[in-house]
Amino acid sequence: KQEVTQIPAALSVPEGENLVLNCSFTDSAIYNLQWFRQDPGKGLTSLLLIQSSQREQTSGRLNASLDKSSGRSTLYIAASQPGDSATYLCAVIRSNYKLTFGKGTLLTVNP
Amino acid sequence: GAVVSQHPSRVICKSGTSVKIECRSLDFQATTMFWYRQFPKQSLMLMATSNEGSKATYEQGVEKDKFLINHASLTLSTLTVTSAHPEDSSFYICSARPGARGYNSPLHFGNGTRLTVT
Repeated sequence: KQEVTQIPAALSVPEGENLVLNCSFTDSAIYNLQWFRQDPGKGLTSLLLIQSSQREQTSGRLNASLDKSSGRSTLYIAASQPGDSATYLCAVIRSNYKLTFGKGTLLTVNP
Repeated sequence: GAVVSQHPSRVICKSGTSVKIECRSLDFQATTMFWYRQFPKQSLMLMATSNEGSKATYEQGVEKDKFLINHASLTLSTLTVTSAHPEDSSFYICSARPGARGYNSPLHFGNGTRLTVT
C-alpha cells in the first residue's frame, strides 16, 4: 500500500527566506507526482506536476524535484512571501489517475 | 486553464437528511471524476471514481449505498450523502481530468464542500 509522508508538518519562516518542503513515498511505481497548495477551507491549486521520467520542474519561485528510486520529492520555494502561507500537499499518481496524498505541510511566512 | 466548479461550498444539515454535491467541469469534458474526503488534519482520501455513463467504483471501506454517485454527462458528477450522520461531517472535494489527456496532465480540483451534520 502506497504511503506518502510530508515533513515537516508545519513550518514558520520570516519573509524572504528560501525553504524546502519534503515528501517521501513508499512505492516507487508511480506515474507522476503533483504538488498542490490548499488555502484554509478551500480547494486545491495545482502547483507543479513532475512526470516519473523527469527529475525536476520549475515555475516561477517554485522548484520541485523527484528522485523516484529513493521515493523522495522536494518543493523549493525561493524568496518566500506572506502570500505563500498555505498548506502544501504532495500527491503521487497511481494507475487509473488515483492520487495518494500526504497530510501536508502548513507553511506560515511572517512579514 | 481547466476549471472545476463544485457546489455548494458549505452546507449544514440535520442528521438523517440527504445532501447532494455537484461537481462540474466548466471548460472541458471529463469522462472520469474523482471524489475525495478530508477529515481535519488528515490526508485527502479517495472515496470513489465516477465514470460517465457507468457505475462508480468505490474504494475499500466506502459504502456505495450511503454515498451515491451519478455521472450522467461529460461535465457533471454528483455525490449524494444519504441519511447523513454527524460522523459524515467532513470536507468533500472532487477532481476531474480532461478526457483525452494522459498521465502527464495535472488533475484539477474543485473548491470543496464543507458538510456539517448536526
